Amino acid sequence: DAKTTQPPSMDCAEGRAANLPCNHSTISGNEYVYWYRQIHSQGPQYIIHGLKNNETNEMASLIITEDRKSSTLILPHATLRDTAVYYCIVPLLTSGTYKYIFGTGTRLKVLA
Amino acid sequence: DVKVTQSSRYLVKRTGEKVFLECVQDMDHENMFWYRQDPGLGLRLIYFSYDVKMKEKGDIPEGYSVSREKKERFSLILESASTNQTSMYLCASRAGDRVTGELFFGEGSRLTVL
Repeated sequence: DAKTTQPPSMDCAEGRAANLPCNHSTISGNEYVYWYRQIHSQGPQYIIHGLKNNETNEMASLIITEDRKSSTLILPHATLRDTAVYYCIVPLLTSGTYKYIFGTGTRLKVLA
Repeated sequence: DVKVTQSSRYLVKRTGEKVFLECVQDMDHENMFWYRQDPGLGLRLIYFSYDVKMKEKGDIPEGYSVSREKKERFSLILESASTNQTSMYLCASRAGDRVTGELFFGEGSRLTVL
């Protein structure tokens, strides 16, 4: 079963890129990496996911290393509204469906 | 717009009471999940369901049960509430089978057990 490891907290200056790392060294070949974030007092929100290629959408970019043992979520121009807890998840296949284990994530603080 | 609705944002109950937390989704999703969130512990999976009347234990099922009688509704039951079940409870749903399905969350139910 793939598990993820993230730093507990990070700071980033407003307008700069925020790079959030995640280790998932036990990931298997067909398991995806997902990123969610949770702004205070709200439910987590989907950001992006990927398998082996880098991905980009309107919110963020996801860089996955060639060996797939780690990934980095990039917020290209962080704003104060990006202050949140960011979760890196590798869903686990069990009983024919996918189980999402969230862990404690990285608390990103964007500084003015 | 997709929606996961949790019946109560805030509840206060007494020790020993039976508590029902209701979650309804309007996306015809097969999979539904209950998490609890506590400071410093992140989100922990209590139970999940992949079909009507089907359920699986998550990582912390003790003290909880669930019910999924209809596809759109997933209920979390605390048979006899205790103070250590004071927490934020989050419900989520996801379309089944697809490996790349997104989880959609409700706004959460903050339960206080006195």
